[in-house]
Amino acid sequence: EDKVVQSPLSLVVHEGDTVTLNCSYEVTNFRSLLWYKQEKKAPTFLFMLTSSGIEKKSGRLSSILDKKELFSILNITATQTGDSAVYLCAVEFRYGNKLVFGAGTILRVKS
Amino acid sequence: DGGITQSPKYLFRKEGQNVTLSCEQNLNHDAMYWYRQDPGQGLRLIYYSQIVNDFQKGDIAEGYSVSREKKESFPLTVTSAQKNPTAFYLCASSILKVRGPGANVLTFGAGSRLTVL
Repeated sequence: EDKVVQSPLSLVVHEGDTVTLNCSYEVTNFRSLLWYKQEKKAPTFLFMLTSSGIEKKSGRLSSILDKKELFSILNITATQTGDSAVYLCAVEFRYGNKLVFGAGTILRVKS
Repeated sequence: DGGITQSPKYLFRKEGQNVTLSCEQNLNHDAMYWYRQDPGQGLRLIYYSQIVNDFQKGDIAEGYSVSREKKESFPLTVTSAQKNPTAFYLCASSILKVRGPGANVLTFGAGSRLTVL
């Protein structure tokens, strides 16, 4: 059975801290791994990762994929209260047209 | 602006009633999806459609039905057969015309929260 597991399930940090969110997967026919941010309602797309070791970066957020060890991390540096959200990881398959999502990590940044 | 519109945002239902959630997109995307989100469980796929007049069951289709009569619209009916319908429902779409990675990058609507009384 295809599995996507995120950790931790939730965490609370203070503004300025750096956080690392984890996503591990066990799937057949892997194509890509996606990260989404869900603040209140609609998840918004952050990154798509297809190759090992190539960092994707957007401002204070960055992400990397390890296809040998089957995991990805999402780093957020100098966190702000606006980073408080649920962060979702999903795997795209080479065949078929659906994504499998992890349970998400709830991040709360305190001022 | 292009996007996905879901309605209603909040819906209350008595047990035994069917309800229909609306999803409309003006992104000209080929594929549309319905996900259910419960606390601690992530998003689970209910149904998806890649083309008009065709749709496939996802992982938790029991108690739900859909139609795809127009490219822009993909309504979801939660029937009385769904045993635990209280949840947050997200509609999404993807372009599918892209070959290779990214064909399934989803754009989401703002969701509909259904509560069964």
